[in-house]
Amino acid sequence: GENVEQHPSTLSVQEGDSAVIKCTYSDSASNYFPWYKQELGKRPQLIIDIRSNVGEKKDQRIAVTLNKTAKHFSLHITETQPEDSAVYFCAASEGFQKLVFGTGTRLLVSP
Amino acid sequence: NAGVTQTPKFQVLKTGQSMTLQCAQDMNHEYMSWYRQDPGMGLRLIHYSVGAGITDQGEVPNGYNVSRSTTEDFPLRLLSAAPSQTSVYFCASSYGTVNTEAFFGQGTRLTVV
Repeated sequence: GENVEQHPSTLSVQEGDSAVIKCTYSDSASNYFPWYKQELGKRPQLIIDIRSNVGEKKDQRIAVTLNKTAKHFSLHITETQPEDSAVYFCAASEGFQKLVFGTGTRLLVSP
Repeated sequence: NAGVTQTPKFQVLKTGQSMTLQCAQDMNHEYMSWYRQDPGMGLRLIHYSVGAGITDQGEVPNGYNVSRSTTEDFPLRLLSAAPSQTSVYFCASSYGTVNTEAFFGQGTRLTVV
């Protein structure tokens, strides 16, 4: 089955810096790669997703890149703000909504 | 429009007790699923359903049962609670079975003593 690895487990940046979180997946049949943000004590919420027919997607300060050959995808957050502090999860799915999640990255943005 | 609603929010069980975690969605989503979240392990799929009357096992199904008698409801049953089932449980729903955004409930924090 699918296995998703996520790095780093924690990431501390200064406000205004960029943050990059990386994930690798094992199943070449996976074709959907969402990213979820989870604030302390809250539910995970989708922030951006990418499908395997696209190499990059951007939404304001957030972007995701996908390298199908290397089987890795990354989340890029530019101009980080304190409210970006949260745990971020990547996931992969080959279909039918069966998401396999990474272990999460705790992002801390210091003012 | 309440989205995905889970009850209860907190529960303490004794080892061996059984209970049902409730999940309901009002978005007419076909796909519903249950995940458990443990520190350092992300979210792991327990069971899922692609429609009323259809359920299947996920990555960690042992000790849990589900049923889907209606589109709206997807309860998770713990048959005989064990300390290893101490976790935060999330229910999620999605429109259709082709990959789309999963909407999560607010979670149930379960402690088994």
